Amino acid sequence: DTGVSQDPRHKITKRGQNVTFRCDPISEHNRLYWYRQTLGQGPEFLTYFQNEAQLEKSRLLSDRFSAERPKGSFSTLEIQRTEQGDSAMYLCASSSPTGGPNTGELFFGEGSRLTVL
Amino acid sequence: GENVEQHPSTLSVQEGDSAVIKCTYSDSASNYFPWYKQELGKRPQLIIDIRSNVGEKKDQRIAVTLNKTAKHFSLHITETQPEDSAVYFCAASFGPNDMRFGAGTRLTVKP
Repeated sequence: DTGVSQDPRHKITKRGQNVTFRCDPISEHNRLYWYRQTLGQGPEFLTYFQNEAQLEKSRLLSDRFSAERPKGSFSTLEIQRTEQGDSAMYLCASSSPTGGPNTGELFFGEGSRLTVL
Repeated sequence: GENVEQHPSTLSVQEGDSAVIKCTYSDSASNYFPWYKQELGKRPQLIIDIRSNVGEKKDQRIAVTLNKTAKHFSLHITETQPEDSAVYFCAASFGPNDMRFGAGTRLTVKP
């Protein structure tokens, strides 16, 4: 499967613990996005990378959240000191150099479901 | 604030009937409007999109219409089939890197 892959698919953690999610985009895609999806809602934009540069961050991304894309390929999303309100599906998406929110298709991964107890 | 409103939240139709889902958006500068289908436990996948210089687009049983003046767009599915059952999300572009999604419509097609 050459689509967007995310790991882990499911994570259960206790409040206060740190968690990290990984996203591997489609290899030729230089644009990478993180979204959060809660039950019954559409995906909410968190942050956007073009190559290794983080170009945009939503105000939803509190200082407990940090995302990186060190080599312009895979990306990680870390949540520190998790809270119960962080429980959600974290979706990664990628798009081609000519694609993206204003021009073309976002290819989503299967998501990483976080449950904070 | 900037958002996308989607209606209805749930829709149940008989197989073979048509289904219509409507969305409104707030940013008059939005120029790209995709629709995504998400089956249970699966990733959202693009099914059709429309750009602001087009009023209507059709792909087999699926069509999307856009009214830029009124800032609303709709998804039309004709001759629905049970495999059309899923959650459908509309979306609109806000700025160069931001896509805002509606809350979704759970479509159930009864055989």
